[in-house]
Amino acid sequence: GAVVSQHPSRVICKSGTSVKIECRSLDFQATTMFWYRQFPKQSLMLMATSNEGSKATYEQGVEKDKFLINHASLTLSTLTVTSAHPEDSSFYICSASPSVAYNEQFFGPGTRLTVL
Amino acid sequence: QQPVQSPQAVILREGEDAVINCSSSKALYSVHWYRQKHGEAPVFLMILLKGGEQKGHEKISASFNEKKQQSSLYLTASQLSYSGTYFCVNQFYFGTGTSLTVIP
Repeated sequence: GAVVSQHPSRVICKSGTSVKIECRSLDFQATTMFWYRQFPKQSLMLMATSNEGSKATYEQGVEKDKFLINHASLTLSTLTVTSAHPEDSSFYICSASPSVAYNEQFFGPGTRLTVL
Repeated sequence: QQPVQSPQAVILREGEDAVINCSSSKALYSVHWYRQKHGEAPVFLMILLKGGEQKGHEKISASFNEKKQQSSLYLTASQLSYSGTYFCVNQFYFGTGTSLTVIP
């Protein structure tokens, strides 16, 4: 149980375009979903926390107009990178939590974004 | 808010032991430990929920000192499969990471 999928696994796009990444909890309802970004040889940095039906809470330094997060249902959250630039190239990982008790979270496999 | 880990990197020979430390400037109410292989998502190892708790998972165990806001991960008799980057996590914030490489 507790499977989280992410799509696509890899995406290459041109600078200036927008890219949408989906995160789905397949066998549980996720009250909270999290989006992380990881640059090579670095840690996972929390970008934002989203709860179903409400606006995402962004971490300091993360542009909410650039990284649009929608958590439309208890099993789906999307991250849209708008007007992507090469510096947005990174590994994006989502996680989902059925309950924030014990800070429990289950991770998707990640999306490798390359912006040319 | 990011926990700080030490060492940053360690190389072990198979069978050797290692300790990874995690220290937080913010209160630690629980600590999660994860291992990540290159290009993959982190894999959950264990959670420690209260001060002084020690948990074990095969030859990997951990301790948690709530007062000192520290946790340590112990790997004994390391195996090649232990290679990866280890992270402690405090309230969804990942630590700085420790790269562990086990060589034959």
